[in-house]
Amino acid sequence: RKEVEQDPGPFNVPEGATVAFNCTYSNSASQSFFWYRQDCRKEPKLLMSVYSSGNEDGRFTAQLNRASQYISLLIRDSKLSDSATYLCVVNDHSSASKIIFGSGTRLSIRP
Amino acid sequence: ETGVTQTPRHLVMGMTNKKSLKCEQHLGHNAMYWYKQSAKKPLELMFVYSLEERVENNSVPSRFSPECPNSSHLFLHLHTLQPEDSALYLCASSQDRTSTGELFFGEGSRLTVL
Repeated sequence: RKEVEQDPGPFNVPEGATVAFNCTYSNSASQSFFWYRQDCRKEPKLLMSVYSSGNEDGRFTAQLNRASQYISLLIRDSKLSDSATYLCVVNDHSSASKIIFGSGTRLSIRP
Repeated sequence: ETGVTQTPRHLVMGMTNKKSLKCEQHLGHNAMYWYKQSAKKPLELMFVYSLEERVENNSVPSRFSPECPNSSHLFLHLHTLQPEDSALYLCASSQDRTSTGELFFGEGSRLTVL
């Protein structure tokens, strides 16, 4: 089983739609959770951290479910500029090797 | 000015060549990393440096040789590479090596080995 698993997609949705995707992790000792965004042929950039209580940043909402060991990202009112690959990142703080990246979920927003 | 800069952005080399990738961070961070990103695969951690000391080496072949002369600069020396080493090599930095996971990446060096 992969340490961090994501549906690779692609998710192809119309502009204005709401889209959500999940990420599951296997290490129950994981302590920090993040969503990164990576545009085509660019570097990953931090989108948002994921807190236990859930958090929202504009159109983006992240949730953590420790019992089921998954995190989710919800994008409301999607824009063309949201098209990218979204990487789930999980860290148990024991070492740099334990900052584990998922393979990413590709999102494509169509006009 | 971006926080982490990498050069060259693109590199094509033969299997017998020797080349180096360079990374510089302007963020005052203490930890620097090399990652490899191949198509449809997750980022693979290669090396970690903390305060110029190599603290992790993730079973990387010896044809990849890192160097960290100071906390702002990181190099990846390449020699006798194989075609399967073709990938995007990303440098990253963080405040310290046990960082919560917020990494700042450079734009990457896209390497093609012929």
